[in-house]
Amino acid sequence: AQRVTQPEKLLSVFKGAPVELKCNYSYSGSPELFWYVQYSRQRLQLLLRHISRESIKGFTADLNKGETSFHLKKPFAQEEDSAMYYCALSGRGSTLGRLYFGRGTQLTVWP
Amino acid sequence: DTEVTQTPKHLVMGMTNKKSLKCEQHMGHRAMYWYKQKAKKPPELMFVYSYEKLSINESVPSRFSPECPNSSLLNLHLHALQPEDSALYLCASSQPHRGRSDTEAFFGQGTRLTVV
Repeated sequence: AQRVTQPEKLLSVFKGAPVELKCNYSYSGSPELFWYVQYSRQRLQLLLRHISRESIKGFTADLNKGETSFHLKKPFAQEEDSAMYYCALSGRGSTLGRLYFGRGTQLTVWP
Repeated sequence: DTEVTQTPKHLVMGMTNKKSLKCEQHMGHRAMYWYKQKAKKPPELMFVYSYEKLSINESVPSRFSPECPNSSLLNLHLHALQPEDSALYLCASSQPHRGRSDTEAFFGQGTRLTVV
């Protein structure tokens, strides 16, 4: 069975500090991993996906298959990064894009 | 147009009412989804339509009845709901690619449903 674990429900940092949002997963096959973000009063939207290996808004995430982790990192947090972040998993071979979400981490960046 | 539009934004209904939630997208996506999100919880998948056919029903009670009249529209018909069905209902769409599961899902803003 698939599972996505985000151990931190709440995370607070000061502006300019590094931030890391943790995500661990369990899946019997090869998963596709994503980070979705929901800013206040806005819709859920894709932040980045592991297969793209890209940096979006200064955030990066590396898939570590040995540790089954997909942590989201940013070296210098900004106030506008305050949002709810969801790690999500989709099974490889499933063409339907169905997503299994972690419980989410509410990030607050203080000025 | 990269938006998924859901109507209504808010809905209050009694347990004996029949109502429908609507979702529309014009991105040409051929996969559409209904998710349910309770307060302070992640979205949970309810239904998936692929090429206008129901392909996944995550053991959702029959008081929720999905419908996909065409490739742009997705409805969720509600009947005899319970107060515990109160939640944010999210619609999403994506473009299925054979052999790939890394496609981006686009979400609507949701319908906040309250059952009284």
